[in-house]
Amino acid sequence: GDSVTQMEGPVTLSEEAFLTINCTYTATGYPSLFWYVQYPGEGLQLLLKATKADDKGSNKGFEATYRKETTSFHLEKGSVQVSDSAVYFCALTRSGSARQLTFGSGTQLTVLP
Amino acid sequence: NAGVTQTPKFQVLKTGQSMTLQCAQDMNHNSMYWYRQDPGMGLRLIYYSASEGTTDKGEVPNGYNVSRLNKREFSLRLESAAPSQTSVYFCASSATGEVQFFGPGTRLTVL
Repeated sequence: GDSVTQMEGPVTLSEEAFLTINCTYTATGYPSLFWYVQYPGEGLQLLLKATKADDKGSNKGFEATYRKETTSFHLEKGSVQVSDSAVYFCALTRSGSARQLTFGSGTQLTVLP
Repeated sequence: NAGVTQTPKFQVLKTGQSMTLQCAQDMNHNSMYWYRQDPGMGLRLIYYSASEGTTDKGEVPNGYNVSRLNKREFSLRLESAAPSQTSVYFCASSATGEVQFFGPGTRLTVL
């Protein structure tokens, strides 16, 4: 079945550092790929998405490129802020009646001032 | 526009007790979902409802039942709670299935 593997955390960075969180997936066909973010005490919210190979999703300074050849969707940000401290989840979905999301295990990011 | 709301926010049960988690959305979405979140395991789908009147099992349905009461509401019932059901439960809804909107979660402890 489908699966998503994320870089294990936790990750601790200083403010303005460069961030990469690795994500690889296993799926048949052509899934859509997502990054969701969970701030402390809240539910998940969509950060960015890409629906086909070579698409780049971007939002709030975060970017991720859909790489079919390496089955990857790594999350990057050039300069993190304390407010980016959260848990980040990579996920995929395939076409179907309800398009179920398959999530990775999540990566806890802490940014220190 | 409240989005997805869940009640209660916290609950403590004793083994064998029953309870229902409530979820409602005001975005006119067709699809609704129940997930559980456990440390180091991401979110796992318990049940989903592709449209009003339909429900289907997800990855971890054992010990749970659901009801899609109407287009807005989707409840999750634990008939006989077990310590293994201690978790954080999230409800979500979606118009297309691709982008899902999540509620704030219910933290459940079963003693």
